[in-house]
Amino acid sequence: SAVISQKPSRDICQRGTSLTIQCQVDSQVTMMFWYRQQPGQSLTLIATANQGSEATYESGFVIDKFPISRPNLTFSTLTVSNMSPEDSSIYLCSARTSGRRDYNEQFFGPGTRLTVL
Amino acid sequence: GENVEQHPSTLSVQEGDSAVIKCTYSDSASNYFPWYKQELGKRPQLIIDIRSNVGEKKDQRIAVTLNKTAKHFSLHITETQPEDSAVYFCAASASKIIFGSGTRLSIRP
Repeated sequence: SAVISQKPSRDICQRGTSLTIQCQVDSQVTMMFWYRQQPGQSLTLIATANQGSEATYESGFVIDKFPISRPNLTFSTLTVSNMSPEDSSIYLCSARTSGRRDYNEQFFGPGTRLTVL
Repeated sequence: GENVEQHPSTLSVQEGDSAVIKCTYSDSASNYFPWYKQELGKRPQLIIDIRSNVGEKKDQRIAVTLNKTAKHFSLHITETQPEDSAVYFCAASASKIIFGSGTRLSIRP
């Protein structure tokens, strides 16, 4: 399994500002993802973070609002830009391992709880 | 794209009884079906998964079944215990994991 850490664990931000969330995995992984989970809701996929190229965004999410970087196999960042109160949510990083025994298993970071005032 | 539906949204069972959560998916290319348990304030934890070449898988008190023809899969928890209380998510994946809406399971003592 992969151990995933995120920074910050939580933040309170003013509307109109931006926040960058960092995700670090303790081993090389094939795929990394960013999800959003609003209070009492399920997890919604924002995008797939591709190493060395632009992220692949899901319907309803755009690069200008959620720029993502993945400079190597173990690290990714998600920026929430020009924030509004509707962006208040938990943002979770996720990574998939690819060993023969556990292919497709996907693990989650602890999440970043964002509150926008 | 993939769509995963999950029922029921809430489930309350007596301690010691069984709990069943059912999901359907839309993308016939999906070949991996994980189940996650999420306790309040915690990250989702993988509890069991099943791949499309298998119809059933069991791990102690937890079992999953998959019917690829009908695009149905289910989670069965037997001999439920208070620590089973949590939100459970089914998911389906071809290349990326898409989650169901979740089931809040409560175990009555």
